[in-house]
Amino acid sequence: DVKVTQSSRYLVKRTGEKVFLECVQDMDHENMFWYRQDPGLGLRLIYFSYDVKMKEKGDIPEGYSVSREKKERFSLILESASTNQTSMYLCASSIAGGPLHEQFFGPGTRLTVL
Amino acid sequence: DAKTTQPTSMDCAEGRAANLPCNHSTISGNEYVYWYRQIHSQGPQYIIHGLKNNETNEMASLIITEDRKSSTLILPHATLRDTAVYYCIVRYTGTASKLTFGTGTRLQVTL
Repeated sequence: DVKVTQSSRYLVKRTGEKVFLECVQDMDHENMFWYRQDPGLGLRLIYFSYDVKMKEKGDIPEGYSVSREKKERFSLILESASTNQTSMYLCASSIAGGPLHEQFFGPGTRLTVL
Repeated sequence: DAKTTQPTSMDCAEGRAANLPCNHSTISGNEYVYWYRQIHSQGPQYIIHGLKNNETNEMASLIITEDRKSSTLILPHATLRDTAVYYCIVRYTGTASKLTFGTGTRLQVTL
């Protein structure tokens, strides 16, 4: 079974702190994604990557950056956390190419910025 | 990607079939219909997808109308563990592979 793991289930940070959210997948997937989920807004794509060192902006990239130095790891970085970045963050991965773009999701990290 | 419309919430009695509708009237010929669900406190889980033919797997059936403007996800014998938010997503299977989730349908399965 595909496994997508995220470094923390719950995280509390202070405004202005630099925050790293880590995601690791064990199925050699080319594509990896970061979403945030907020009540009433559904899931929104922040960034995605379709290869090592490649990244593409999603729908809401402002205030975030990402890093993909190894195929299995995709990091989301909040350079200076703000209270409006309090949210559930979900990482996902999928294979490249073909119609079967099933995305496998991690359990999520609930981030609270005080 | 085409936009989808789903009811906000639905109830279903345990053991009965749950039929979740989705409207995607602006779908184009090369866009697939995907369904995911999210159980509370977990990440979304893939259920099924289709292009124009009806599809069935061990979890559910997907019925797509002939004009492809709407579809229905069917859980044939709903259980309490099927209580979740169900997302209908329409998208082109290009190289970007990204999914755009709406707010979904909250299905409550009751005894």
